[in-house]
Amino acid sequence: GAGVSQSPRYKVAKRGQDVALRCDPISGHVSLFWYQQALGQGPEFLTYFQNEAQLDKSGLPSDRFFAERPEGSVSTLKIQRTQQEDSAVYLCASRLESGRRPYEQYFGPGTRLTVT
Amino acid sequence: AQSVTQLGSHVSVSEGALVLLRCNYSSSVPPYLFWYVQYPNQGLQLLLKYTSAATLVKGINGFEAEFKKSETSFHLTKPSAHMSDAAEYFCAVSDGQAGTALIFGKGTTLSVSS
Repeated sequence: GAGVSQSPRYKVAKRGQDVALRCDPISGHVSLFWYQQALGQGPEFLTYFQNEAQLDKSGLPSDRFFAERPEGSVSTLKIQRTQQEDSAVYLCASRLESGRRPYEQYFGPGTRLTVT
Repeated sequence: AQSVTQLGSHVSVSEGALVLLRCNYSSSVPPYLFWYVQYPNQGLQLLLKYTSAATLVKGINGFEAEFKKSETSFHLTKPSAHMSDAAEYFCAVSDGQAGTALIFGKGTTLSVSS
C-alpha cells in the first residue's frame, strides 16, 4: 500500500519567506509526528497529532513554526519568516494507533528545506 | 528522561565482514528500542525493534540486535556486510506511551568496501 508521502521534496526559500510543507500519512493512521533533522544529526521531535488534535508541540523551536491537521489526515507544517537555521530535512511519520504499545512509526521521505 | 548514544559516527567494513554498530541508551522506565536505516535522500526505514519480549531481536536484511539491560545497550550486528548495507543507521528509544516521540541518536554512517 501507499506509504507516507511528503511534498515538496526540496524547497529553497529566501530568508524571510514563509514556507508550507505537506505530509500525507498512511490512510487510517491516527498519530502523526513531525521531526526536524539537521545535517549530520538524528531527527528531533517537533510536534504530535492524534487525529486532528495537536497534543504536543513542545519541540517547535519558535513561534514561527506552526502545524495543523484540520481533518485528521493531511498535515501541514508552516514556517514563517524563515531563517538560515531552519535549513534541515523535515520528516513526517505516522502511526496506526495511540496506546501503550510501541507502534511502529512509518516515515516519509522528508522535505529538504534550504534557506538562503 | 531518555537518551541514546551511538558510539562511532562512522564505521567502515569490508564486504563480507562483521558489522557492529553500537547503541547505548538511558531510560528511567522500561525502554522500547529501535534501529532505523536511512539511505540518501530517503526517509527512515525500520530495521528492527525491541518490545520487552525476546532480548535477541531479528530484523530485515539479516540484521539483529541484542538488548542487554545490565549494559544499557542495544547494539546492531550483521554477520556479513553487503555493499547495499552502506547507509546511515539510527538507534532510537521510546517509553512506549501514546504520543511519545522517538528519541534518536546522532547516527552512524556505515561504509562498505569491496
